[in-house]
Amino acid sequence: DTGVSQDPRHKITKRGQNVTFRCDPISEHNRLYWYRQTLGQGPEFLTYFQNEAQLEKSRLLSDRFSAERPKGSFSTLEIQRTEQGDSAMYLCASSLARGRNEQYFGPGTRLTVT
Amino acid sequence: QKEVEQNSGPLSVPEGAIASLNCTYSDRVSQSFFWYRQYSGKSPELIMSIYSNGDKEDGRFTAQLNKASQYVSLLIRDSQPSDSATYLCAYGGATNKLIFGTGTLLAVQP
Repeated sequence: DTGVSQDPRHKITKRGQNVTFRCDPISEHNRLYWYRQTLGQGPEFLTYFQNEAQLEKSRLLSDRFSAERPKGSFSTLEIQRTEQGDSAMYLCASSLARGRNEQYFGPGTRLTVT
Repeated sequence: QKEVEQNSGPLSVPEGAIASLNCTYSDRVSQSFFWYRQYSGKSPELIMSIYSNGDKEDGRFTAQLNKASQYVSLLIRDSQPSDSATYLCAYGGATNKLIFGTGTLLAVQP
């Protein structure tokens, strides 16, 4: 059983550029979550999908952020017009809808905006 | 009031001792509670989940939940240097997202 995978693991970009991250969940998991974590803080919820439906978005998620899960398998998170404040670890997690919401995290994508 | 409160530490314990990590939460309708371990520069790793009042044991780990007091704890017996990490407490709210604390840094001294 492979775990959650994320790509790329590291991304350095210049302010104003667009970036896209990919997450592949555990194969039988139909829920997929995106979180963001900055130094010294716990992960902060961004959005989640059940199959291909995006069921919740954080109010903190600006309109520069968009996420998709077109076929209910992998997901992408895009950040447009990046800002230095977007620098963080972007974490993806997955879980079973019928389970107790035990979420398993991928290795994360570390974004640095210069 | 923060939704999840944890002492940031560091909590320093000698090798072989019991480490006790504590967490309080504000959401009275929470039904699921989790402990994650996070090594520096790595992603969180689920180590314990608990859903009902009382104790749940898994190897050297014991999670304790008291919903009336809105308190959850994690005990690590026979602490090892490899247990040195940040321990994140989280609960599942009314929706399926997890709400995390800021974590407690545990340092196990050889």
